[in-house]
Amino acid sequence: EDKVVQSPLSLVVHEGDTVTLNCSYEVTNFRSLLWYKQEKKAPTFLFMLTSSGIEKKSGRLSSILDKKELSSILNITATQTGDSAIYLCAGHNTNAGKSTFGDGTTLTVKP
Amino acid sequence: DTGVSQNPRHKITKRGQNVTFRCDPISEHNRLYWYRQTLGQGPEFLTYFQNEAQLEKSRLLSDRFSAERPKGSFSTLEIQRTEQGDSAMYLCASRDSTRELFFGEGSRLTVL
Repeated sequence: EDKVVQSPLSLVVHEGDTVTLNCSYEVTNFRSLLWYKQEKKAPTFLFMLTSSGIEKKSGRLSSILDKKELSSILNITATQTGDSAIYLCAGHNTNAGKSTFGDGTTLTVKP
Repeated sequence: DTGVSQNPRHKITKRGQNVTFRCDPISEHNRLYWYRQTLGQGPEFLTYFQNEAQLEKSRLLSDRFSAERPKGSFSTLEIQRTEQGDSAMYLCASRDSTRELFFGEGSRLTVL
C-alpha cells in the first residue's frame, strides 16, 4: 500500500520566519510528488515535482524532490499570516493513476 | 464557474439512512476522483474513474459505498445504511492528462 508521511504535524512561527516542511513517500510506480495548500476549503495545487534536484519556485515558496531519499521539502521564506494553512503532499502512482496524500503539516503564522 | 462543483455542501442524516453526493467535474477532465477527509487527516482515496469506467476502488472501502459516472461526466457517491464513522468531508477532484488534481469544495456529512 502506498504511503506518504509528513513532518512536522504542526508548526507555529512568527511572521518573517522561514519554514521547511518535510515529506517522505513509499509509492509504487512513483511518477510525481505534488504539494497542495489547504485553507478552510479544498486543497489547491502548489507544485508538481518529477525530477530529482530541480527546484520549483513560486514567490516565497520553493520545493525540491530527492528521489534517492524518497523525500521532498517545501520551503516558505518570509512567512506571512496568509501562509497559515495545512500543507499536503501527495505521491502519484502512475500505474494506478491516483495520488496518495500525507496527513499534512498545519502551519500557523503569528503576527 | 467552471471549477469542480459538489452538492449538497452539507448533509446531516440519521444513522441507517442512505445519502448521495453529486460531483460535476471540470468539463474537459476525463478523470474523476473521490476522497474522504476527516479532521487532522489528509484526503483518503476512495475511488477513481476514467471517463465512465471505474478503474480503482479502495480495498478499505465498505460495500455500503458505491460510485457511478454513467456518461463520463458527473459522478455520484452513495453511502447506504450510514454509520457515525462515515461522518467526514467527501472531496471530489478531477484532472486531465496532467497529475494535478482540481478539488471541489467538498460535501460534509454528519451522521447522528
